[in-house]
Amino acid sequence: GENVEQHPSTLSVQEGDSAVIKCTYSDSASNYFPWYKQELGKGPQLIIDIRSNVGEKKDQRIAVTLNKTAKHFSLHITETQPEDSAVYFCAASKNAGAQKLVFGQGTRLTINP
Amino acid sequence: GAVVSQHPSWVICKSGTSVKIECRSLDFQATTMFWYRQFPKQSLMLMATSNEGSKATYEQGVEKDKFLINHASLTLSTLTVTSAHPEDSSFYICSARGQERFSNQPQHFGDGTRLSIL
Repeated sequence: GENVEQHPSTLSVQEGDSAVIKCTYSDSASNYFPWYKQELGKGPQLIIDIRSNVGEKKDQRIAVTLNKTAKHFSLHITETQPEDSAVYFCAASKNAGAQKLVFGQGTRLTINP
Repeated sequence: GAVVSQHPSWVICKSGTSVKIECRSLDFQATTMFWYRQFPKQSLMLMATSNEGSKATYEQGVEKDKFLINHASLTLSTLTVTSAHPEDSSFYICSARGQERFSNQPQHFGDGTRLSIL
């Protein structure tokens, strides 16, 4: 089955700097890759997603890149702000059956003022 | 955006009690809902997939008689933890996905239920 690896597990950056979180997946049939932000005591919130027919997607300060050949995708947050501090999860799924998401292990991002 | 409501947000009860958690999609019809369990500082673990009007599909190692799932309508799924014991204490989260059959649709998550069994 699919396996998603996420790195780093923790990341600390200065406010205003950029943060990058990387994920790799194992199943070449996966074609949908969302990123979720989870704040303490809350459920995950979808922040951006990308499908396999696109190499990059951007939404204001957040961007995601996908390299299908290498089977990895990355989340880029620019001009980080204290409210970006949270746990971020990547996930992968394929357009078959229940379209279950397989999650990475999560990255705890801390923005230092 | 899509809103998923989960209730209750926190429940504390005695060992042996059964606890029901509700998951509602408020502004869209969800053909499929998912139930996850999350331990502190860990990722989400899928417990089961619930399709409206049919039996849930459980992941390997999840006891279906322990975790009863009902998806009676396109906007409501329930998870009942039967005869709960302290080891069932965890953060339970549901998600819902819309009806488009031929392309991946985003899963939208509720805010979770923290279950504490004394």
